Amino acid sequence: EAAVTQSPRNKVAVTGGKVTLSCNQTNNHNNMYWYRQDTGHGLRLIHYSYGAGSTEKGDIPDGYKASRPSQENFSLILELATPSQTSVYFCASGDVTGASNERLFFGHGTKLSVL
Amino acid sequence: QQKVQQSPESLIVPEGGMASLNCTSSDRNVDYFWWYRQHSGKSPKMLMSIFSNGEKEEGRFTVHLNKASLHTSLHIRDSQPSDSALYLCADDTNAYKVIFGKGTHLHVLP
Repeated sequence: EAAVTQSPRNKVAVTGGKVTLSCNQTNNHNNMYWYRQDTGHGLRLIHYSYGAGSTEKGDIPDGYKASRPSQENFSLILELATPSQTSVYFCASGDVTGASNERLFFGHGTKLSVL
Repeated sequence: QQKVQQSPESLIVPEGGMASLNCTSSDRNVDYFWWYRQHSGKSPKMLMSIFSNGEKEEGRFTVHLNKASLHTSLHIRDSQPSDSALYLCADDTNAYKVIFGKGTHLHVLP
């Protein structure tokens, strides 16, 4: 099965601090995604990427930046963390193109608490 | 407005019963729907996908698709307590941009 690894698994940050969430996939998938999951909201798309060097805004990009320096790595950056960004963050990879039924593979999630 | 709508928000069925979950897209360009299952404290994993009108069966799980109404449904027969989870529906109308609904919480009571 495809492997997607997130780090850290848990993170406590202070308001106004910088937070970087990392994701690594070893499946050579072109697309990578960052979602956040909150009670009552399901999975909401923050940023995604088609490949190395590309980042695209999802549905809720405000307050977040993304970086895709290589095929394998995709980071989510909170420059000035706020308590409203307390959530569980999931990274996923896949070769979804809109013309196929390729699946997404998710990491185990990062629980972020901003105090 | 949520592009992918799921209902009900929560569903309770007895062990051995049938669970029926619904999902509708608001985009006429939809081709594929995916169903993912997420157990508590775990990450989502794809359960089934469907492209063509009609139904697709895999074991106790059956997915129906009606493209004209942009509606898909997931049916779980002989439900087990281990089926208790959050079920998420997603569509492909934005190519690379995979958007999920809010999910249905299924509780199977022993």
